[in-house]
Amino acid sequence: DTGVSQDPRHKITKRGQNVTFRCDPISEHNRLYWYRQTLGQGPEFLTYFQNEAQLEKSRLLSDRFSAERPKGSFSTLEIQRTEQGDSAMYLCASSLETLSGYTFGSGTRLTVV
Amino acid sequence: RKEVEQDPGPFNVPEGATVAFNCTYSNSASQSFFWYRQDCRKEPKLLMSVYSSGNEDGRFTAQLNRASQYISLLIRDSKLSDSATYLCGGGGATNKLIFGTGTLLAVQP
Repeated sequence: DTGVSQDPRHKITKRGQNVTFRCDPISEHNRLYWYRQTLGQGPEFLTYFQNEAQLEKSRLLSDRFSAERPKGSFSTLEIQRTEQGDSAMYLCASSLETLSGYTFGSGTRLTVV
Repeated sequence: RKEVEQDPGPFNVPEGATVAFNCTYSNSASQSFFWYRQDCRKEPKLLMSVYSSGNEDGRFTAQLNRASQYISLLIRDSKLSDSATYLCGGGGATNKLIFGTGTLLAVQP
């Protein structure tokens, strides 16, 4: 597998439930990014990792959001006590350390009902 | 003011037309710039990197103007298959990219 893979592709959850998404980056990429995208908007930065270290978190990322990359390979994004405003496409991307473009995964589409 | 701004369009052009998109950025420390293409309900895919010297790939030309802090994308001889949203993204030393809202292109037969 040479691409970024995300799981699940779609998630429908009831308000107040917790959800967790997984991202497997391209194996040789040491940087991993999470973005959120809503209809008609560009991807909004949430957080990024270099290897296992979480180096930056957006102010968009409330206390209900947490991300991990425990061994510097795959990453998880958890949303606790989901709200309807969390409904969006959650995109993961990876890159090399140099100033190179990202490769995005196909995303996880979250719908909170 | 948003860090990266694009005209959301839509740009409706006939097949064969030349179309240009601009994108402005406010962070003068931004070092790397890219154009991505995003089809409806799909993930963004890297189209081109953008350099001050200009970058051409077939019918696509990208340009960076650091003095005026904008990047551009020119598409010549538009095809129906070029219909998509075009996102510009800029980043600094951390390689964290900030994206614009995207410009919707619809090429008409």
